[in-house]
Amino acid sequence: DIVMTQSPDSLAVSLGERATINCKSSQSVLYSSNNKNYLAWYQQKPGQPPKLLIYWASTRESGVPDRFSGSGSGTDFTLTISSLQAEDVAVYYCQQYYSTPPFTFGPGTKVDIK
Amino acid sequence: QVQLQESGPGLVKPSETLSLTCTVSGGSISSYYWSWIRQPPGKGLEWIGYIYYSGSTNYNPSLKSRVTISVDTSKNQFSLKLSSVTAADTAVYYCARGGSPGYSSSWYAYWGQGTLVTVSS
Repeated sequence: DIVMTQSPDSLAVSLGERATINCKSSQSVLYSSNNKNYLAWYQQKPGQPPKLLIYWASTRESGVPDRFSGSGSGTDFTLTISSLQAEDVAVYYCQQYYSTPPFTFGPGTKVDIK
Repeated sequence: QVQLQESGPGLVKPSETLSLTCTVSGGSISSYYWSWIRQPPGKGLEWIGYIYYSGSTNYNPSLKSRVTISVDTSKNQFSLKLSSVTAADTAVYYCARGGSPGYSSSWYAYWGQGTLVTVSS
């Protein structure tokens, strides 16, 4: 299995400031034949299912605010919230869909307001 | 807009079989891969497995001996059975749709609201 790790476990950021979440995979999730990274990011608020933010490591899902961006390649990825809003308080997960079975998720990063 | 809704018992006794159904509305079950994902209370997400509308499946090796996923295209539903459950199987169970038609390796853009299943006598 590909093991996903995230850092930090939690972070507190002032409103309007940048939040950065890191995700690392135990092996590359870059598929050389199409040069795509098989990596997605989700936001989960209490009592709700995860909401897709980013796929292919950097493609924003329709309707997701442009303050959310994804970057990285191979084994190291980053989700950036450029200007934190109150509604962004949530747990964020990365997921690899490169190898199956199973698809695996990171342990999550909790984002709060400072 | 595609919507998914899980249904099934919220309480299952240890050693029995957990059974859940996901009903898909607002779109056909055809052409996509459909998955089950679970989340123990206060913990992270675990992928259980997927099924294609044609019936082909793939399961998490850690659960493979106990999991069966099936599909009923006439009802636009797919189902999960997990046998010999223990307290460790207590979780919110989500059904979800793969992101691209015909593509098994995928992200999940559509999720059900989730249903909490508690394993307890």
